[in-house]
Amino acid sequence: EPEVTQTPSHQVTQMGQEVILRCVPISNHLYFYWYRQILGQKVEFLVSFYNNEISEKSEIFDDQFSVERPDGSNFTLKIRSTKLEDSAMYFCASSDTATNTEAFFGQGTRLTVV
Amino acid sequence: GEDVEQSLFLSVREGDSSVINCTYTDSSSTYLYWYKQEPGAGLQLLTYIFSNMDMKQDQRLTVLLNKKDKHLSLRIADTQTGDSAIYFCAEENAGNMLTFGGGTRLMVKP
Repeated sequence: EPEVTQTPSHQVTQMGQEVILRCVPISNHLYFYWYRQILGQKVEFLVSFYNNEISEKSEIFDDQFSVERPDGSNFTLKIRSTKLEDSAMYFCASSDTATNTEAFFGQGTRLTVV
Repeated sequence: GEDVEQSLFLSVREGDSSVINCTYTDSSSTYLYWYKQEPGAGLQLLTYIFSNMDMKQDQRLTVLLNKKDKHLSLRIADTQTGDSAIYFCAEENAGNMLTFGGGTRLMVKP
């Protein structure tokens, strides 16, 4: 079965540092998403990406966040200057349709900001 | 804004049926989903239902949707120990964003 791969599985970073979370979506998928889950809280939508641009973004996705599809295979989430409250599990997802009926999620990257 | 709520915990005996409930607020939801998360793993799509349907069956899984009450349920027949996991319901809105519930932890006792 095809899968979405995220690296690293766990990243620890110091407050104020930049982090890049990487995702390899399924190869023929066109729609890409990032979600996050702070420990003990709900999974929250961050951003959707299609045709090399952001389609939708939530209030969480402020100027500290950016996404990129640098080489046609990877899909990255960058946090420019991490804060303690950015500590969370970050999930990438991809889909070949505009709905989530065919979306696959990665296993997540746990980001710990210290 | 949209909100999705679930009960936190459900415990059943192996072989029994499990029913996990979910309520949502967004009446314009297009699809509603059930995801399963096992320890250390990502979110696995189990099933979904289009908002103009009221029931969908897929092997051991039955989804019921009551649009009037904005209530969604997932019934797992003949629950097995391998079904122990966290189950999330989610609604999809016009922007194709998912709004998730907090998850229901299902524990299946042998």
